[in-house]
Amino acid sequence: QVQLQESGPGLVKPSETLSLTCTVSDGSISSYYWSWIRQPPGEGLEWIGYISYSGSTNYNPSLKSRVTISVDTSKKQFSLKLSSVTAADTAVYYCARDGSYGDHVIWGQGTLVTVSS
Amino acid sequence: EIVLTQSPGTLSLSPGERATLSCRASQSVSSSYLAWYQQKPGQAPRLLIYGASSRATGIPDRFSGSGSGTDFTLTISRLEPEDFAVYHCQQCGSSPYSFGQGTKLEIQ
Repeated sequence: QVQLQESGPGLVKPSETLSLTCTVSDGSISSYYWSWIRQPPGEGLEWIGYISYSGSTNYNPSLKSRVTISVDTSKKQFSLKLSSVTAADTAVYYCARDGSYGDHVIWGQGTLVTVSS
Repeated sequence: EIVLTQSPGTLSLSPGERATLSCRASQSVSSSYLAWYQQKPGQAPRLLIYGASSRATGIPDRFSGSGSGTDFTLTISRLEPEDFAVYHCQQCGSSPYSFGQGTKLEIQ
């Protein structure tokens, strides 16, 4: 059973860069697309973007200027970097494996990132 | 960007009743690219339905999805206690992918 686990700092200062990694266990990272989704406390879900195993990306235009998603197939990890963060970027960040139609089939448990000085 | 509007915002029902949740899109969505998720407090969302009407692996058959174009529906035929949660729809056919604001299904 494939499992995903997010890791990274839980507290980031304003104007700095948020960095998270998602590790894929008990499964292959190849032949799939991998997404990041976030959810501010008490709010709905927001799709951040995806990366394919080969490295092609697609980002939400609302975040595109600040987002980079990368993949390291040798480590079975993919990563999210979000620059110039503000309090509005405080959220639970989820990584997910995508299905054939873009749906998010398998999710990590999520990690809360708080932006505060 | 396609905006998804879910209704109602909150649905109060009792176990054993039938639940009907709506997801309306601002533009037509290919049925292959409409998904539904269930989310319980403190947990990640779980995929229920993909392709508007296909159940994900392990999802009970009391959950069904239907619809096309701009109007989609998630139906839970007979509510079980564990079904009370927040439900999200998502379109994955047009970038940026977008979610509805969610429907909270609560016990009456």
